[in-house]
Amino acid sequence: GAGVSQSPRYKVTKRGQDVALRCDPISGHVSLYWYRQALGQGPEFLTYFNYEAQQDKSGLPNDRFSAERPEGSISTLTIQRTEQRDSAMYRCASSRQGNTIYFGEGSWLTVV
Amino acid sequence: AQSVTQLGSHVSVSEGALVLLRCNYSSSVPPYLFWYVQYPNQGLQLLLKYTTGATLVKGINGFEAEFKKSETSFHLTKPSAHMSDAAEYFCAVRLNSGGSNYKLTFGKGTLLTVNP
Repeated sequence: GAGVSQSPRYKVTKRGQDVALRCDPISGHVSLYWYRQALGQGPEFLTYFNYEAQQDKSGLPNDRFSAERPEGSISTLTIQRTEQRDSAMYRCASSRQGNTIYFGEGSWLTVV
Repeated sequence: AQSVTQLGSHVSVSEGALVLLRCNYSSSVPPYLFWYVQYPNQGLQLLLKYTTGATLVKGINGFEAEFKKSETSFHLTKPSAHMSDAAEYFCAVRLNSGGSNYKLTFGKGTLLTVNP
């Protein structure tokens, strides 16, 4: 597609439910990133994929968070047993290797 | 490790006035530097970047920034603000080499309001 596409744009979920956020990167971009942005803060790195390989997951806050990119294109960020502190905007980005990083519009997650 | 400090979480200017958004960074190796902008209800958009070469870089919509190594700064400027410049601006740093050179570290952002 023309840009990085994320879905859903807005998600409200009850505490304890699992959520899955989807990212469709720019065509041809081998690198994919997930960031999280809390209110009043800048985006913070969560994880990085090169093709289908998860190269860095050091930013994932705990083991309730996981991400995959099985075919080297679309990626899913999954949060299990959501908690209120997980409420934030989750941003996906992609790039050609070592090149400019392009961001999607983000997915707003609210846990009630 | 690298970090970014944006001085002023909120900057307000009059239309036609100079825009100056401050960014200071720390980095263990020479960095790549970026400014991103987020307009209401839109994603983060790259405004400009410094990688190597000329230290004064020009971006979209009349913005420019100057990399000053001695001051570890990368301030964003625009000579004359327009109402459409109202947005949140994020400065970011990335290592230009090493194992984590894919990772952007962002500042907390500066919200720019433009008064008529």
